[in-house]
Amino acid sequence: NAGVTQTPKFQVLKTGQSMTLQCAQDMNHNSMYWYRQDPGMGLRLIYYSASEGTTDKGEVPNGYNVSRLNKREFSLRLESAAPSQTSVYFCASSDSGTPGGYTFGSGTRLTVV
Amino acid sequence: GENVEQHPSTLSVQEGDSAVIKCTYSDSASNYFPWYKQELGKRPQLIIDIRSNVGEKKDQRIAVTLNKTAKHFSLHITETQPEDSAVYFCAASKGSARQLTFGSGTQLTVLP
Repeated sequence: NAGVTQTPKFQVLKTGQSMTLQCAQDMNHNSMYWYRQDPGMGLRLIYYSASEGTTDKGEVPNGYNVSRLNKREFSLRLESAAPSQTSVYFCASSDSGTPGGYTFGSGTRLTVV
Repeated sequence: GENVEQHPSTLSVQEGDSAVIKCTYSDSASNYFPWYKQELGKRPQLIIDIRSNVGEKKDQRIAVTLNKTAKHFSLHITETQPEDSAVYFCAASKGSARQLTFGSGTQLTVLP
């Protein structure tokens, strides 16, 4: 049982390049989330998907887009990367029928130069 | 939206002593309060959570208390061990399957 799988684990981009971070969960969870983690700022919500077919902005959505491809997969796209998007990105999933809240992926460390 | 404040940002204790981390939240509708532990380079892992219909919850050496009136909750770790050294995050939401708002984290160091 893999839980939440994120790819890639590491990525270096040049300013202006685009990329998509992939996330997949095999727990049949309805809700999925993308957070970014920066030193001293905790985890901040970028976008979330409460259920298949819906997406909503979180606290820091600017510069990002998301796609809930199906119930398992939730991708995060950076259309034109900026140095301010250098961060560690975590995907997570949850379900109201599952005790314990979120299951996190292992994270993607992104550096924009 | 919800705002969660966490303090202290760093905490050092001697092995065997207790550690307390405190958080306050702003949205009175929040009813789910988890705590996560994150070791260096790893993903956050849930260590304990509490719902608003409970004032205290304990699991071996860790406990969480909730004061709904004051809108604050705390993590208590007793008999600390070196392996407790990590960053701890509090969070709040309006349900366990709803979006979490996290505190800024506390770096706990347990000195041998």
